[in-house]
This record gives sequence, C-alpha cells and structure tokens, in this order.
Amino acid sequence: DQQVKQNSPSLSVQEGRISILNCDYTNSMFDYFLWYKKYPAEGPTFLISISSIKDKNEDGRFTVFLNKSAKHLSLHIVPSQPGDSAVYFCAASETGNQFYFGTGTSLTVIP
Amino acid sequence: DAGVIQSPRHEVTEMGQEVTLRCKPISGHDYLFWYRQTMMRGLELLIYFNNNVPIDDSGMPEDRFSAKMPNASFSTLKIQPSEPRDSAVYFCASSQQGLRYIYGYTFGSGTRLTVV
Repeated sequence: DQQVKQNSPSLSVQEGRISILNCDYTNSMFDYFLWYKKYPAEGPTFLISISSIKDKNEDGRFTVFLNKSAKHLSLHIVPSQPGDSAVYFCAASETGNQFYFGTGTSLTVIP
Repeated sequence: DAGVIQSPRHEVTEMGQEVTLRCKPISGHDYLFWYRQTMMRGLELLIYFNNNVPIDDSGMPEDRFSAKMPNASFSTLKIQPSEPRDSAVYFCASSQQGLRYIYGYTFGSGTRLTVV
C-alpha cells in the first residue's frame, strides 16, 4: 500500500502564477519529508526538505508546508516559470528508515 | 564528483534473458538504493545497502531479482529470467549517513529496461 500519495497526476499553471503540489501520507511516525524534481530522461534531483519540528521551509521560489495533524504537505512555487515544468515527487521517512516516495505530479507551466 | 553513474542507459532484451544493471555510487556515500519507477507505483524501493551490506530487500518483487554490492564503488541489479512486466526505469541512488534526511538521495540517470 502506498504510504505516500500524490493524488493529482498532473497540474497546469500559467507562468508567473503560483503552483501548489500536494502530498498526503499515512504513517504518523514519518518525521522527514523531501520534494524531488525530475526532468525526462534524468534522475530525480533533490529540491527541498522539511522535518517534523517545522511547519514551513522556504528556499527561494520554493516553499514546503507541513500539516502534521492532517498528514499533509504541499510545495508552493511562486512565481512559476516554464523551466519548472517537470515531475515532482514527495517522499517521507521515519528516522533510521527508508524514504517512501509518492507517484509524482507532472507540472506544466504555460508561457 | 561525477555523481551516481548507471549503465546501460537503455536496455532492450527478449523475455527469458538475463539482464544486469550497474551502478557506481558517489565516493564516500555509505548508502546505496535501487528503485524502480512505474506509472502505477511511482518510485518503488527494491533494495538498499549500508556499507555494502544489504539491509532491506523486502521490495524485491521475486526471486528473479537479485542485487549485489561487492565493494563500496559498485553494485549490480540482476533479473533472471526477465519478463515483459519488468519493463520500467530502474534508478540507483546513494547517500551519506547523517545528511540523507536533509539533502535526500542523489539519483543516477536511470536505466530504461524494455523486455519484449
């Protein structure tokens, strides 16, 4: 069973607007969360992380929000750029264990 | 550093044949992971090693799959015999203890396997 779920397989956003990618998890013991970005024919690359002691982490145009009570995290990209078009994976882990990945959301930023 | 290096990039083989995928992790990384990407299950962990020792192989789908890490700089994933349902992109990733929760894993470019 998927412990990490990304229920939106795809998302289209106009350039300059905000992109919001969502991720839900089932294991309340997860305490580290990552977002990866993947371009075609390349491996996923690390984007941003957050630990469960925080509810927000920001890095430039990228912000990750964590809602532990809802077991939900989201990635906000503001402003969205065409180069952000990629597949985004969220991942979650309990300390000492492996990361579980979601199925990915394909983001298309329309110029 | 050249990053995580996987070979081959593409592999097309006939059903029943043996397939070997190769991975060279980043020097100094003590964890190595093999993942399979499919549309239905996303990135699925097959097996991972710590200091060349297999730690968790519960994700290996069947006995047809095996993985080895004979030394810190090389790992193989073997499928014998291969079947069409094994067609997927296989990723190798490595990480360093203590940093993996902050910076995650470094992935290779993957091997696209097609079994006909």
